[in-house]
Amino acid sequence: KNEVEQSPQNLTAQEGEFITINCSYSVGISALHWLQQHPGGGIVSLFMLSSGKKKHGRLIATINIQEKHSSLHITASHPRDSAVYICAVYSGGGADGLTFGKGTHLIIQP
Amino acid sequence: DTEVTQTPKHLVMGMTNKKSLKCEQHMGHRAMYWYKQKAKKPPELMFVYSYEKLSINESVPSRFSPECPNSSLLNLHLHALQPEDSALYLCASSQDWGSYEQYFGPGTRLTVT
Repeated sequence: KNEVEQSPQNLTAQEGEFITINCSYSVGISALHWLQQHPGGGIVSLFMLSSGKKKHGRLIATINIQEKHSSLHITASHPRDSAVYICAVYSGGGADGLTFGKGTHLIIQP
Repeated sequence: DTEVTQTPKHLVMGMTNKKSLKCEQHMGHRAMYWYKQKAKKPPELMFVYSYEKLSINESVPSRFSPECPNSSLLNLHLHALQPEDSALYLCASSQDWGSYEQYFGPGTRLTVT
């Protein structure tokens, strides 16, 4: 079974800072998801990627398949970006759903 | 419409009660999922339905009983739950089962007393 590790577990930063959250996994995958969850709330899908890089507004996600590593970047961070960011992978084949990382709890202070 | 809806938002039930959680999507997705999420933990997959048939049951206790009446609707029937079953129950859907983006509902916060 795929092992998904995220770092850091917790991150506190000042408004405007450039944020990077990392995700690594142990077994080859078909797709990697970056998800956002606000306290007490549901989950929003930010990106799904299987190669390269995707950008949406201030968010950028990259993946290196050979390195089994992905990063989520937030530019010009804002207090409303405060949330838990979760990396999840789909390994494909067999009876497998998403395997989730433990999440990164991000706090952006004004 | 890219929304997955879940009802109720909150549910408090006793250990002898029977209740149901409901999930609905109108995106034409053919895969639907139930996840359980405990506080400060990532979601755990419970059930996957693909084309209205149960594809994955991650060894979930029988006190949780899923039902997929049609391609837009997913229910989770609850009976004789334990306090440790208190959690956020999330529903999700995707175009198909596999490498497809999953859309999550807001969840049902369940408390078992």
